[in-house]
Amino acid sequence: QVQLQESGPGLVKPSETLSLTCTVSGGSITYYYWSWIRQPPGGGLEWIGYIYYSGNTYYNPSLKSRVTISVASSRNQFSLKLSSVTAADTAVYYCARGGNLDFWGQGTLVTVSS
Amino acid sequence: EIVLTQSPGILSLSPGERATLSCRASQTVSSTYLAWYQQKPGQAPRLLIYAASSRATGIPDRFSGSGSGTDFTLTISGLEPEDFAVYYCQQYGSSPQTFGQGTKVEIK
Repeated sequence: QVQLQESGPGLVKPSETLSLTCTVSGGSITYYYWSWIRQPPGGGLEWIGYIYYSGNTYYNPSLKSRVTISVASSRNQFSLKLSSVTAADTAVYYCARGGNLDFWGQGTLVTVSS
Repeated sequence: EIVLTQSPGILSLSPGERATLSCRASQTVSSTYLAWYQQKPGQAPRLLIYAASSRATGIPDRFSGSGSGTDFTLTISGLEPEDFAVYYCQQYGSSPQTFGQGTKVEIK
């Protein structure tokens, strides 16, 4: 069974960069797309972007200028960086597999606050 | 960007009743790329339906999806206590991928 686990700081200061890593276990990162999605407290789901195992990326235009997704296939990990964060970026951040998101991490709450 | 509008926002039903959830798209969505998710409080969403009508692994057959073009439906044929949750539709055929705002199915 494929499992995903997000890791990274739970608190980020305004204007700084949010950095999260997703570790995939129980399966290879090869031959799939790997996605990041976020959900503000009490809100709905927002797709941030995804990366193919080969490194091709696709980002939500609303975040594109601030987002970088990268993959480390040898470690079965992929990562998210979101720069110049504000309070509006406070959310639970999920990693997931594929376009139809068949496996999800448990999510990690990132709060932007000084 | 394709906007997905779900209705109703809240559906109040009793266990055993049939639930019908709607997802309407602002542009045509390929059926191949329409999914439904269930989310319970404090949990990640769970994939129920992909390609508009295919059940994901382990999903009970009381969940079914249908539709094409701009109108899609998730039906729960007889609500079990564990089905009371929030449901989201998603299109993943056009970038950016988008989600509906969700329908909450609550106990009446």
